[in-house]
Parts: sequence; C-alpha cells; structure tokens
Amino acid sequence: GDSVTQMEGPVTLSEEACLTINCTYTATGYPSLFWYVQYPGEGLQLLLKATKADDKGSNKGFEATYRKETTSFHLEKGSVQVSDSAVYFCALTPSGAGSYQLTFGKGTKLSVIP
Amino acid sequence: GAGVSQSPSNKVTEKGKDVELRCDPISGHTALYWYRQRLGQGLEFLIYFQGNSAPDKSGLPSDRFSAERTGESVSTLTIQRTQQEDSAVYLCASSLSLAGVGTGELFFGEGSRLTVL
Repeated sequence: GDSVTQMEGPVTLSEEACLTINCTYTATGYPSLFWYVQYPGEGLQLLLKATKADDKGSNKGFEATYRKETTSFHLEKGSVQVSDSAVYFCALTPSGAGSYQLTFGKGTKLSVIP
Repeated sequence: GAGVSQSPSNKVTEKGKDVELRCDPISGHTALYWYRQRLGQGLEFLIYFQGNSAPDKSGLPSDRFSAERTGESVSTLTIQRTQQEDSAVYLCASSLSLAGVGTGELFFGEGSRLTVL
C-alpha cells in the first residue's frame, strides 16, 4: 500500500537557520503530495501542495518540489522564524477517482529558538 | 465557532469502558473524516462520511469502533470495550466535498486525546 516516510524529529534550529525536512513516498501512479502543519494548540492545516511531477508548492516562505524520479517531496525554508515552531506532516493522496484517503507520515516537530 | 470543534479534548478511561468522541464540522461541509494518531505513528484513516452516501469504513481497526453522522451535522466516534492500544489522539476533519482531499482543503479539529489505563 501507499506510505510516507519523513525524517524523525525533533528538530531544533536557531532563528534564521535553513530548514530541510525530508519526505519520501511509496505509491502507484502519480499521487498528489502535501505538507500539513500543526501549530501549538491548533488543528492541522494545509501548508502547501503539488499535484504533478516537477510542480513546486510554496507558502509562507516554505517550498517543496514534487520529484517523481526520487519519489520525494522535501520541505525547505531558507530562514526559519520562532513562529515556524510546529509539527510538520507530509502526506499523499492517490491519483484517480475515488481516492479520498490521505496517507500521512509520522510528523516532524520543529522548534526554533531565538 | 468557525472551525471544526471536537470534544472532549482529553479523556482518560479505564480498560473495558466505552467512550464517545464528538466532532462538530464546519457548517456546510458535506464530507467528514476521522483519523487517529498513536504515539510515534502517522495519522491513520478511520472513516469518512459524504452527505447521505454510505460511509467508507475501511479504516476502522475492529468492530469495537463505530461512527455515526446524521446528514451533514455532528459525528460521533464510539469505541466499545476500550483497550490500551486504543490510546491515541483522534482527529476529525471536514471539507466542502470529498474533492477537498485532493485539493488539500481539509479543515482539522484540535483532536481528542484518549488515554486508556
């Protein structure tokens, strides 16, 4: 079945440091790929998405590129802020009609210190 | 409120007891999903509802788990004869339609943390 593997946390960075959270997936066809974020005390929310190979999703300074050849969707940010402290989840949904289930990674907790 | 509301936020119960978790979706959202996250694991799909169609129950781990939703309103997830392995955070999400899964337009509640002693 489909699966998502993301780097183990927790990750602790100083403010303005570069961030990369690795995510790789196993799925048939061309799934849609997502990064969700959960800030403290809030529900998960969509951060960015990519629906086909070579697409780049971006939001709030975060980027991730859909790499079919390496089955990866790594999350990157050039300069993190304290407000980016949260848990980040990589997820996919299969291609094709009738695919209404998201498969999530285990989540990576990021802490940014001033 | 404007978001997905779940209750209780925390529940501690004894092994063998029944528990009921509630989800109040965003008004007008026809699709509703339940996921759970056990410690150190990713979110696991449990069930989804879409309007008055038959729900997809394929993710429910055993017959001790059941869920109901009347129309497009509140949903309840019931776990009978709870076991320690049921300890997890149970997350509810809603979207305007099932297409929200593919577009990422899912709105999650904060979850109900269940601890079975």
